[in-house]
Amino acid sequence: DTAVSQTPKYLVTQMGNDKSIKCEQNLGHDTMYWYKQDSKKFLKIMFSYNNKELIINETVPNRFSPKSPDKAHLNLHINSLELGDSAVYFCASSQDPTRTDTQYFGPGTRLTVL
Amino acid sequence: QKEVEQNSGPLSVPEGAIASLNCTYSDRGSQSFFWYRQYSGKSPELIMSIYSNGDKEDGRFTAQLNKASQYVSLLIRDSQPSDSATYLCAVKLNFGNEKLTFGTGTRLTIIP
Repeated sequence: DTAVSQTPKYLVTQMGNDKSIKCEQNLGHDTMYWYKQDSKKFLKIMFSYNNKELIINETVPNRFSPKSPDKAHLNLHINSLELGDSAVYFCASSQDPTRTDTQYFGPGTRLTVL
Repeated sequence: QKEVEQNSGPLSVPEGAIASLNCTYSDRGSQSFFWYRQYSGKSPELIMSIYSNGDKEDGRFTAQLNKASQYVSLLIRDSQPSDSATYLCAVKLNFGNEKLTFGTGTRLTIIP
């Protein structure tokens, strides 16, 4: 019955590797988001997709590439991982782009780059 | 100047007292304001939203908005140990910009 799920929950990897985080929502929402939360708890949006189309693309290194195969899934691929990429990554969804007030967050993926 | 500012805390409040959390924002065009609660190791969850000046009450929670002062606050009455968490203030510009901008959060500890 999980509304927004992410895999994996923990990811430990070496610098320079490429990794992916997957997100799925079963709420029937049209809009999905990726956020990064750093060690100081600062939560910042990275990307947003509405019906598989990119609508928000913040200033994020192009090593980060989101992909939305359908509106229920939004994956995040990260190339050439760096130490500074260590953070918790949250996926979220909302009914549509105007309903940010009803945004549901996934459990988060804690990425540690060694 | 940060777009959304909060005192990082920690803020310690005795059980049963009123906890007061404050947030200021820089963009006068901001239209929607939210408070999220985040327990340690968990994801943020929405607890209050407010869109117009004044107070909005929901159970033990009251959100207060003053757009002229660019200030939004959250009051928690009869604080419980289960209220101990980090509280994130978030602000949204309307008019086509659907991005939520978060503050760095205030860590609240309720002392039994």
